[in-house]
Amino acid sequence: AQTVTQSQPEMSVQEAETVTLSCTYDTSENNYYLFWYKQPPSRQMILVIRQEAYKQQNATENRFSVNFQKAAKSFSLKISDSQLGDTAMYFCAFRKLIGNQFYFGTGTSLTVIP
Amino acid sequence: EPEVTQTPSHQVTQMGQEVILRCVPISNHLYFYWYRQILGQKVEFLVSFYNNEISEKSEIFDDQFSVERPDGSNFTLKIRSTKLEDSAMYFCASSESQGGNYGYTFGSGTRLTVV
Repeated sequence: AQTVTQSQPEMSVQEAETVTLSCTYDTSENNYYLFWYKQPPSRQMILVIRQEAYKQQNATENRFSVNFQKAAKSFSLKISDSQLGDTAMYFCAFRKLIGNQFYFGTGTSLTVIP
Repeated sequence: EPEVTQTPSHQVTQMGQEVILRCVPISNHLYFYWYRQILGQKVEFLVSFYNNEISEKSEIFDDQFSVERPDGSNFTLKIRSTKLEDSAMYFCASSESQGGNYGYTFGSGTRLTVV
């Protein structure tokens, strides 16, 4: 069975600062995909960044980057130069190489403080 | 940017009643999904749907649940006889393909409250 754990229910960061959201997962699969989704208040979940487990290089999307540690089964999200629009719930998710099902964590509510 | 649209945003229903949650996936997407999130818990997979049939479902998706694509645009989730524990946020999603590193496009969700 696959599980995803986000141990930080709530976090806050000053505007323009950097924040890191933690995510760990458990799986017996060797290859898989990892994702971070963002859900602003009353808005749809949108994909922030994705990582293939077979790639050693950490994914980067503008101000968003991940620290993927396969051996430790850790997949943290770093947001640089935080902006007010980054205020949202962030979900870490896992998906097997084959299959449709996402396994989500419980989410981290991030507030960017002006 | 194309969106997945869900209606209504909030629905209150009495226990034992049937409820239909509606979704309009992105027009060129072929795979459709329902997830739910009970308050304070994880987002959980319910079902995936492709080519007018269920391709995968979870243990949660029992005989009380059904999905349908009644026309070319809508994708619905029906709960036949709602229970208090069905109260949750229900998310619809769609994708162009399956597997791979595709991230689905999710809707904003329908909050279902069973009283």
